[in-house]
Formats: sequence, C-alpha cells, structure tokens
Amino acid sequence: NAGVTQTPKFQVLKTGQSMTLQCAQDMNHEYMSWYRQDPGMGLRLIHYSVGAGITDQGEVPNGYNVSRSTTEDFPLRLLSAAPSQTSVYFCASSFGRPYSSEQYFGPGTRLTVT
Amino acid sequence: AQSVTQPDIHITVSEGASLELRCNYSYGATPYLFWYVQSPGQGLQLLLKYFSGDTLVQGIKGFEAEFKRSQSSFNLRKPSVHWSDAAEYFCAVGERSQGNLIFGKGTKLSVKP
Repeated sequence: NAGVTQTPKFQVLKTGQSMTLQCAQDMNHEYMSWYRQDPGMGLRLIHYSVGAGITDQGEVPNGYNVSRSTTEDFPLRLLSAAPSQTSVYFCASSFGRPYSSEQYFGPGTRLTVT
Repeated sequence: AQSVTQPDIHITVSEGASLELRCNYSYGATPYLFWYVQSPGQGLQLLLKYFSGDTLVQGIKGFEAEFKRSQSSFNLRKPSVHWSDAAEYFCAVGERSQGNLIFGKGTKLSVKP
C-alpha cells in the first residue's frame, strides 16, 4: 500500500507558466482534498472531491482547477502561476467526509513561483 | 464561522519534560476535534480524534487530549517528551455544513537535549 503519493516533490515555475500537480491514492477512498500550507497560516483547503466526477471549491480556489475522472487520481492544475502561489501543497484522502474521518496526507509538493 | 486557535506558535521543552499544547475552537454544536502532527519535510499524520463520549482520548505515540466543553478547548498532552516528538502540531475542527476540516495555524515543538 503506497497510500497517498504526490509528484513532483519540488517544482520551480516562472510567472505565467502552467503545471499540474499529481496526486494518487490506492486506498479506494471516496474523498480527496488539496490543501496549501503557508508559514503561519496552517493548512487551507483549495478544492475537494467527494467522488469521481464530483468536485467543489474550498477556502482558496482562485487560480486552481481540479478534476476527478477516477477514484484514484485527483490532479491540481495551476492555470497561470503567480508568486502568491508559492507554497507547499498537500493532497489528502479519506474514507468518509473529512470533518469526521481520518485524513491520509501525501508527502507534499514544494512549489516556488519566480 | 467556525475557527481554531492555537495560541502558541513555538514551544521549546526539555527532553523528558511534560508537554501541553493548547487548542481553542469556536463551534456551535458538539465538535469533531483532531490533532495532527507534521514531522519536518513530511505530510500530516493523525495523532488522535474526539467525536463523543469520554472526554479524555488516547492517541498514538503516547499522546492524549482532553475535551473541555466549558472552555472550548482540546489541549494535547504528553507526560514525557522524546527528541523524536520535535515537529509541528495542528489542531483541527470538523465543519459539518461543508464537510471539511478547519485547521489551526500550528504549534512548532522543539525539544532540548
């Protein structure tokens, strides 16, 4: 069981570039989420999904897109990178809704936008 | 709106000393409460959770937390800290209406030898 995997681990982008952060889980969890972690801010929810084909916005969705075509994968797309998107990004999955279930986190992607 | 406050940004304790990390929440109903730990360069791992019942909950790695409704608190404790406990600790409350977690800003724990 690999759990939750994220690629890449590190990425440097120039302003205006686009990219996709990959996330996959092998636990057959219905719920998946993307968070960003900034110093002194804790984790903030970007987007989440309650199952294949169903996504919704979290607290800080602007500048990001998601889709969920399979239960296993939940990629996060940055449409036009901005320096404000420099952050550490975590993907998480859970069997039940996150508010009442243990979430399993990936190791994170550290993104720098110059 | 629901919120979670962790008043201490950074705490340093000596190895072998006891530890208490504070967490206060704002939530109308009985909350779902969690403590997660993040070791350097790692993702978050669940330490323990409280949903209902006994207000003192036990978690992994020798941690426990006590839910006090009257104080809107869910403080994390450990009787004797080990150097490997150095990490960042996040308290979180489950937000039922949207189904998600709201995290506190975290407390970084340093352990002195």
